[in-house]
Amino acid sequence: AQSVAQPEDQVNVAEGNPLTVKCTYSVSGNPYLFWYVQYPNRGLQFLLKYITGDNLVKGSYGFEAEFNKSQTSFHLKKPSALVSDSALYFCAVRDMIGSQGNLIFGKGTKLSVKP
Amino acid sequence: NAGVTQTPKFRVLKTGQSMTLLCAQDMNHEYMYWYRQDPGMGLRLIHYSVGEGTTAKGEVPDGYNVSRLKKQNFLLGLESAAPSQTSVYFCASSRALGSVNEQFFGPGTRLTVL
Repeated sequence: AQSVAQPEDQVNVAEGNPLTVKCTYSVSGNPYLFWYVQYPNRGLQFLLKYITGDNLVKGSYGFEAEFNKSQTSFHLKKPSALVSDSALYFCAVRDMIGSQGNLIFGKGTKLSVKP
Repeated sequence: NAGVTQTPKFRVLKTGQSMTLLCAQDMNHEYMYWYRQDPGMGLRLIHYSVGEGTTAKGEVPDGYNVSRLKKQNFLLGLESAAPSQTSVYFCASSRALGSVNEQFFGPGTRLTVL
Protein backbone atom coordinates (compact mmCIF):
# COMPACT_ATOMS: atom_id res chain seq x y z
CA ALA A 1 0.00 0.00 0.00
CA GLN A 2 1.15 3.51 -0.71
CA SER A 3 1.87 5.64 2.29
CA VAL A 4 3.86 8.49 3.73
CA ALA A 5 5.10 8.52 7.30
CA GLN A 6 6.20 11.35 9.54
CA PRO A 7 7.69 9.48 12.49
CA GLU A 8 7.78 12.44 14.89
CA ASP A 9 4.61 14.04 16.18
CA GLN A 10 6.63 17.00 17.48
CA VAL A 11 10.09 18.44 16.98
CA ASN A 12 11.53 20.96 19.41
CA VAL A 13 14.41 23.19 18.35
CA ALA A 14 16.14 26.22 19.82
CA GLU A 15 16.18 29.34 17.68
CA GLY A 16 19.32 29.53 15.57
CA ASN A 17 19.87 25.77 15.59
CA PRO A 18 19.41 23.60 12.49
CA LEU A 19 16.13 21.75 12.18
CA THR A 20 15.08 18.53 10.49
CA VAL A 21 11.56 17.24 10.03
CA LYS A 22 11.53 13.65 8.84
CA CYS A 23 9.45 12.02 6.13
CA THR A 24 9.59 8.56 4.62
CA TYR A 25 7.43 7.19 1.84
CA SER A 26 6.31 3.98 0.24
CA VAL A 27 5.06 4.16 -3.34
CA SER A 28 5.59 2.27 -6.53
CA GLY A 29 7.67 3.92 -9.21
CA ASN A 30 9.37 7.29 -8.99
CA PRO A 31 7.80 9.42 -6.26
CA TYR A 32 6.58 12.99 -6.49
CA LEU A 33 7.11 14.51 -3.04
CA PHE A 34 5.89 17.70 -1.41
CA TRP A 35 6.18 19.65 1.81
CA TYR A 36 3.42 21.95 3.03
CA VAL A 37 3.28 24.14 6.14
CA GLN A 38 0.23 25.10 8.19
CA TYR A 39 0.33 28.05 10.55
CA PRO A 40 -2.28 28.20 13.34
CA ASN A 41 -5.83 28.68 12.08
CA ARG A 42 -4.67 28.87 8.47
CA GLY A 43 -4.79 26.66 5.40
CA LEU A 44 -1.76 24.78 4.14
CA GLN A 45 0.94 26.59 2.17
CA PHE A 46 3.26 25.00 -0.35
CA LEU A 47 6.95 24.92 0.63
CA LEU A 48 8.70 22.80 -1.98
CA LYS A 49 8.47 19.74 -4.18
CA TYR A 50 10.62 17.06 -5.74
CA ILE A 51 9.58 15.69 -9.10
CA THR A 52 12.88 14.84 -10.74
CA GLY A 53 16.43 16.13 -11.01
CA ASP A 54 18.69 17.36 -8.22
CA ASN A 55 18.14 15.48 -4.97
CA LEU A 56 18.44 18.69 -2.95
CA VAL A 57 15.40 20.89 -3.42
CA LYS A 58 15.24 24.48 -2.20
CA GLY A 59 11.95 26.06 -1.25
CA SER A 60 10.29 28.99 0.47
CA TYR A 61 11.43 30.67 3.70
CA GLY A 62 14.92 29.13 3.55
CA PHE A 63 13.74 25.54 3.73
CA GLU A 64 15.23 22.71 1.72
CA ALA A 65 14.64 19.00 1.44
CA GLU A 66 16.80 16.11 0.38
CA PHE A 67 15.42 13.23 -1.64
CA ASN A 68 17.12 9.94 -0.78
CA LYS A 69 15.90 7.12 -2.96
CA SER A 70 17.78 4.33 -1.18
CA GLN A 71 16.33 5.34 2.19
CA THR A 72 12.94 6.34 0.68
CA SER A 73 13.13 9.60 2.59
CA PHE A 74 12.46 13.26 1.93
CA HIS A 75 13.51 15.12 5.08
CA LEU A 76 12.84 18.84 5.44
CA LYS A 77 15.73 20.95 6.71
CA LYS A 78 16.68 24.48 7.58
CA PRO A 79 20.16 25.59 8.67
CA SER A 80 18.98 28.10 11.29
CA ALA A 81 15.51 27.91 12.82
CA LEU A 82 13.37 30.95 13.58
CA VAL A 83 10.62 31.24 16.18
CA SER A 84 8.30 32.13 13.28
CA ASP A 85 8.95 28.67 11.77
CA SER A 86 6.80 27.16 14.52
CA ALA A 87 3.94 25.46 12.68
CA LEU A 88 2.55 22.13 11.54
CA TYR A 89 4.46 20.54 8.65
CA PHE A 90 3.01 18.00 6.24
CA CYS A 91 4.84 15.73 3.86
CA ALA A 92 2.85 14.42 0.88
CA VAL A 93 3.44 11.97 -1.94
CA ARG A 94 1.65 11.45 -5.20
CA ASP A 95 -0.78 8.54 -5.29
CA MET A 96 0.76 6.54 -8.13
CA ILE A 97 -2.13 4.08 -8.35
CA GLY A 98 -5.16 6.37 -8.61
CA SER A 99 -6.04 7.66 -12.05
CA GLN A 100 -5.71 11.31 -11.11
CA GLY A 101 -2.61 10.95 -9.01
CA ASN A 102 -3.91 12.81 -5.99
CA LEU A 103 -1.74 13.54 -2.97
CA ILE A 104 -1.42 11.32 0.09
CA PHE A 105 -0.58 13.41 3.15
CA GLY A 106 1.33 12.39 6.23
CA LYS A 107 -0.14 12.99 9.67
CA GLY A 108 1.91 16.11 10.23
CA THR A 109 4.77 17.12 12.53
CA LYS A 110 4.46 20.02 14.90
CA LEU A 111 7.61 22.12 14.93
CA SER A 112 8.22 24.25 17.99
CA VAL A 113 11.09 26.73 17.91
CA LYS A 114 11.94 28.31 21.26
CA PRO A 115 13.81 31.60 21.67
CA ASN B 1 -6.53 38.25 -5.82
CA ALA B 2 -8.38 36.68 -2.92
CA GLY B 3 -7.04 33.20 -3.76
CA VAL B 4 -9.20 30.46 -2.27
CA THR B 5 -12.03 31.51 0.02
CA GLN B 6 -14.36 29.37 2.09
CA THR B 7 -17.69 30.13 3.72
CA PRO B 8 -18.67 29.79 6.46
CA LYS B 9 -15.63 29.84 8.76
CA PHE B 10 -17.43 28.14 11.63
CA ARG B 11 -20.63 26.16 11.93
CA VAL B 12 -22.38 24.09 14.57
CA LEU B 13 -24.96 21.56 13.42
CA LYS B 14 -27.21 19.11 15.15
CA THR B 15 -27.18 15.48 14.08
CA GLY B 16 -29.33 15.02 11.01
CA GLN B 17 -29.15 18.61 9.81
CA SER B 18 -27.84 19.49 6.38
CA MET B 19 -25.53 22.20 5.18
CA THR B 20 -23.41 23.30 2.24
CA LEU B 21 -19.86 24.58 2.39
CA LEU B 22 -18.84 26.94 -0.38
CA CYS B 23 -15.39 27.22 -1.88
CA ALA B 24 -14.46 29.87 -4.41
CA GLN B 25 -11.18 30.50 -6.24
CA ASP B 26 -10.23 33.41 -8.49
CA MET B 27 -7.10 31.89 -10.05
CA ASN B 28 -8.86 30.19 -12.97
CA HIS B 29 -7.69 26.80 -11.70
CA GLU B 30 -9.02 23.65 -13.31
CA TYR B 31 -8.66 21.32 -10.32
CA MET B 32 -10.41 21.72 -6.99
CA TYR B 33 -10.41 19.55 -3.86
CA TRP B 34 -12.18 19.09 -0.56
CA TYR B 35 -10.19 17.69 2.36
CA ARG B 36 -10.97 17.07 5.99
CA GLN B 37 -8.36 17.45 8.72
CA ASP B 38 -8.64 15.49 11.94
CA PRO B 39 -6.12 15.44 14.79
CA GLY B 40 -3.40 12.88 14.24
CA MET B 41 -4.73 11.91 10.83
CA GLY B 42 -3.41 14.58 8.51
CA LEU B 43 -5.50 15.59 5.52
CA ARG B 44 -7.80 13.15 3.81
CA LEU B 45 -9.33 13.77 0.40
CA ILE B 46 -13.14 13.73 0.33
CA HIS B 47 -13.97 14.63 -3.27
CA TYR B 48 -12.25 16.42 -6.09
CA SER B 49 -12.99 17.94 -9.47
CA VAL B 50 -10.83 18.09 -12.57
CA GLY B 51 -13.00 20.65 -14.30
CA GLU B 52 -16.37 22.34 -14.46
CA GLY B 53 -19.19 19.84 -14.34
CA THR B 54 -17.04 16.89 -13.24
CA THR B 55 -16.49 15.45 -9.77
CA ALA B 56 -14.92 12.30 -8.38
CA LYS B 57 -14.63 10.49 -5.06
CA GLY B 58 -11.55 10.69 -2.91
CA GLU B 59 -10.46 8.61 0.05
CA VAL B 60 -13.39 9.37 2.40
CA PRO B 61 -16.46 10.34 0.31
CA ASP B 62 -19.24 8.69 2.33
CA GLY B 63 -21.78 11.13 3.74
CA TYR B 64 -20.74 13.96 1.43
CA ASN B 65 -21.79 15.22 -1.97
CA VAL B 66 -20.21 17.84 -4.20
CA SER B 67 -21.02 19.95 -7.20
CA ARG B 68 -18.94 22.05 -9.59
CA LEU B 69 -21.44 23.97 -11.67
CA LYS B 70 -19.06 26.87 -12.23
CA LYS B 71 -15.31 26.63 -12.70
CA GLN B 72 -14.59 28.97 -9.81
CA ASN B 73 -16.88 27.29 -7.26
CA PHE B 74 -16.81 23.89 -5.56
CA LEU B 75 -19.59 23.05 -3.11
CA LEU B 76 -19.47 20.39 -0.41
CA GLY B 77 -22.77 19.17 0.97
CA LEU B 78 -23.67 17.21 4.05
CA GLU B 79 -27.18 15.82 3.66
CA SER B 80 -27.57 14.40 7.17
CA ALA B 81 -24.76 15.44 9.47
CA ALA B 82 -23.26 12.98 11.94
CA PRO B 83 -20.91 13.59 14.90
CA SER B 84 -18.19 11.72 12.97
CA GLN B 85 -18.21 14.60 10.50
CA THR B 86 -16.96 17.02 13.13
CA SER B 87 -13.75 18.23 11.54
CA VAL B 88 -11.95 21.10 9.86
CA TYR B 89 -12.67 21.20 6.15
CA PHE B 90 -10.24 22.64 3.65
CA CYS B 91 -10.79 23.45 0.04
CA ALA B 92 -7.87 23.64 -2.36
CA SER B 93 -7.29 24.35 -6.02
CA SER B 94 -4.49 23.78 -8.50
CA ARG B 95 -3.73 24.82 -12.05
CA ALA B 96 -3.47 21.23 -13.19
CA LEU B 97 -2.74 17.91 -11.53
CA GLY B 98 -2.41 18.65 -7.82
CA SER B 99 0.10 15.88 -7.44
CA VAL B 100 2.51 17.72 -9.72
CA ASN B 101 1.48 21.33 -9.25
CA GLU B 102 1.17 23.41 -6.10
CA GLN B 103 -2.19 23.30 -4.41
CA PHE B 104 -3.57 26.53 -2.94
CA PHE B 105 -5.61 26.10 0.21
CA GLY B 106 -8.44 28.08 1.71
CA PRO B 107 -8.50 29.10 5.38
CA GLY B 108 -10.77 26.24 6.43
CA THR B 109 -14.22 25.70 7.90
CA ARG B 110 -14.50 24.36 11.43
CA LEU B 111 -17.62 22.20 11.68
CA THR B 112 -19.00 20.75 14.88
CA VAL B 113 -21.85 18.25 14.78
CA LEU B 114 -23.62 17.73 18.09
